[in-house]
Amino acid sequence: ELKVEQNPLFLSMQEGKNYTIYCNYSTTSDRLYWYRQDPGKSLESLFVLLSNGAVKQEGRLMASLDTKARLSTLHITAAVHDLSATYFCAVAYIQGAQKLVFGQGTRLTINP
Amino acid sequence: DSGVTQTPKHLITATGQRVTLRCSPRSGDLSVYWYQQSLDQGLQFLIQYYNGEERAKGNILERFSAQQFPDLHSELNLSSLELGDSALYFCASSWGSLDTQYFGPGTRLTVL
Repeated sequence: ELKVEQNPLFLSMQEGKNYTIYCNYSTTSDRLYWYRQDPGKSLESLFVLLSNGAVKQEGRLMASLDTKARLSTLHITAAVHDLSATYFCAVAYIQGAQKLVFGQGTRLTINP
Repeated sequence: DSGVTQTPKHLITATGQRVTLRCSPRSGDLSVYWYQQSLDQGLQFLIQYYNGEERAKGNILERFSAQQFPDLHSELNLSSLELGDSALYFCASSWGSLDTQYFGPGTRLTVL
């Protein structure tokens, strides 16, 4: 059974700082997604990583995938308050169709 | 706005009752997915339909069922409701089974 673990689960940081969220998963997959969720809102797709070594960047967020280590990272550079949200990684489990197994989520709070 | 719509936004009902949640996918998307989000279980995949046919099943209880209609909208039926069924229910859609899933705004179900 595929298990996905994120850490940290809670992260409070100051504006302007850098930090990294880690996503570890237990079985082979070469497709990983990052989503953002604001309180009481839906999930917004941020990145899809499709192969080993894939790196995607959008603004202050950069995601990478190491399929051999079964690890993805979401790096936040020079954080700003607007990035406060819960971030989920989701690993694709392909068995006929694609099922997504989500991590627990990382609640990120960025303080001025 | 992802283009996925869900109704109703909120639903309050009593134990033992039956409810139906409705989802309309993004224009052109053939796949519909249902997820349950709760504080204790996190985000859990329930079921996927592709062009009217069930394609994948996750942690869906026997009291729950779903279908996708010829116009591609989907309904999730929850019966014999229990307190523990209180959760946010999300629908997501994608063009194909292996494409990025876009999430709707969710239906918040409260069972009293």
